[in-house]
Amino acid sequence: GAGVSQTPSNKVTEKGKYVELRCDPISGHTALYWYRQSLGQGPEFLIYFQGTGAADDSGLPNDRFFAVRPEGSVSTLKIQRTERGDSAVYLCASSLIGTSGRASFTDTQYFGPGTRLTVL
Amino acid sequence: GQQLNQSPQSMFIQEGEDVSMNCTSSSIFNTWLWYKQDPGEGPVLLIALYKAGELTSNGRLTAQFGITRKDSFLNISASIPSDVGIYFCAGRGGSNYKLTFGKGTLLTVNP
Repeated sequence: GAGVSQTPSNKVTEKGKYVELRCDPISGHTALYWYRQSLGQGPEFLIYFQGTGAADDSGLPNDRFFAVRPEGSVSTLKIQRTERGDSAVYLCASSLIGTSGRASFTDTQYFGPGTRLTVL
Repeated sequence: GQQLNQSPQSMFIQEGEDVSMNCTSSSIFNTWLWYKQDPGEGPVLLIALYKAGELTSNGRLTAQFGITRKDSFLNISASIPSDVGIYFCAGRGGSNYKLTFGKGTLLTVNP
């Protein structure tokens, strides 16, 4: 079946520009996560959605970063006034349940291939 | 943000050799996970551990959840060329969703 998909796969932009990164989760998954992976590092948590609402955005580095999931499926990560330090691979993951219920203890997060963002 | 202490950073081994890598944390976790990431791909889950002391196998892979809940190791037996990639440990704590990752172990297998 279809996994998590992310578009674009690569995005090159200039400092100061605005970018949007899209994530299509696995159909039926209620939980969606964004992570950022810098070169040579492991992924770092940015934000978590349960349905349409952002349940935890504590990982967003500053107010230039914002994410939405208006219909509880596709999510868009938005970055304003991009800086060179924003260059990284942005990973999206989805899981079936998230935090609700005992099953969340074993709830597996499935990752997409990521969007490689380069800010020149 | 916080990252787990994962070692070694890289390993270069001959095909057929066994491999061991480990991960430690200053925080207690309820779940330990091991992922593999190939170039241009997202991490793929290899093994999940849910209970302190648990030892779990998946084919040639074996992982353990440390008794203190602050560490885990992953062993790969009889390595093959397709084992090449970056291996990440990840922990999940009081919140049931947020994963904290290690910095990864780059494994190279010489045929």
